[in-house]
Amino acid sequence: RKEVEQDPGPFNVPEGATVAFNCTYSNSASQSFFWYRQDCRKEPKLLMSVYSSGNEDGRFTAQLNRASQYISLLIRDSKLSDSATYLCVALYGNKLVFGAGTILRVKS
Amino acid sequence: EAQVTQNPRYLITVTGKKLTVTCSQNMNHEYMSWYRQDPGLGLRQIYYSMNVEVTDKGDVPEGYKVSRKEKRNFPLILESPSPNQTSLYFCASSSGAYNEQFFGPGTRLTVL
Repeated sequence: RKEVEQDPGPFNVPEGATVAFNCTYSNSASQSFFWYRQDCRKEPKLLMSVYSSGNEDGRFTAQLNRASQYISLLIRDSKLSDSATYLCVALYGNKLVFGAGTILRVKS
Repeated sequence: EAQVTQNPRYLITVTGKKLTVTCSQNMNHEYMSWYRQDPGLGLRQIYYSMNVEVTDKGDVPEGYKVSRKEKRNFPLILESPSPNQTSLYFCASSSGAYNEQFFGPGTRLTVL
């Protein structure tokens, strides 16, 4: 079983839709979690950190459920420019473990 | 401009021919790491370094070496490349594992 698992998608949604991704992690010792965004085989870039209390940044909301060992990313009012691969990341000690990514395609 | 640079960006080589991929950052970051990215597997950490002269294995270190003699540089060495090391490689740096990772542009390596 992979340490961090994501539905690969693709998620095909119309502009303006709300879409949610989940990510599960297997190691309960994980200390921190992040969502990164990657465009078309370019370098990943941090989208947001995930805090225990949940956090929001504009149209993006991240939540952590430690009891069920999953994190989620909610994107509201999807834009064409949101089309990308979203990578879930867990930190174990000083090691970062990435999920394989979820592909989002937003269409007009 | 704050950045992470990698060289070369593209490399085609043959089995067994030693190669080095360089990584350099100008942000005075202590934490640096190398990843490989393969379809369906995502990014997998090869090695990471907490600071100068401190390196540790990630999830897939076999066939790779690293060194951290200076804070800004973290080269990845393939002593005897094999075709299963054909991949897209990313270097990253940050002020710590807990903090935002800044990635280089990637190196696409093909081993024939």
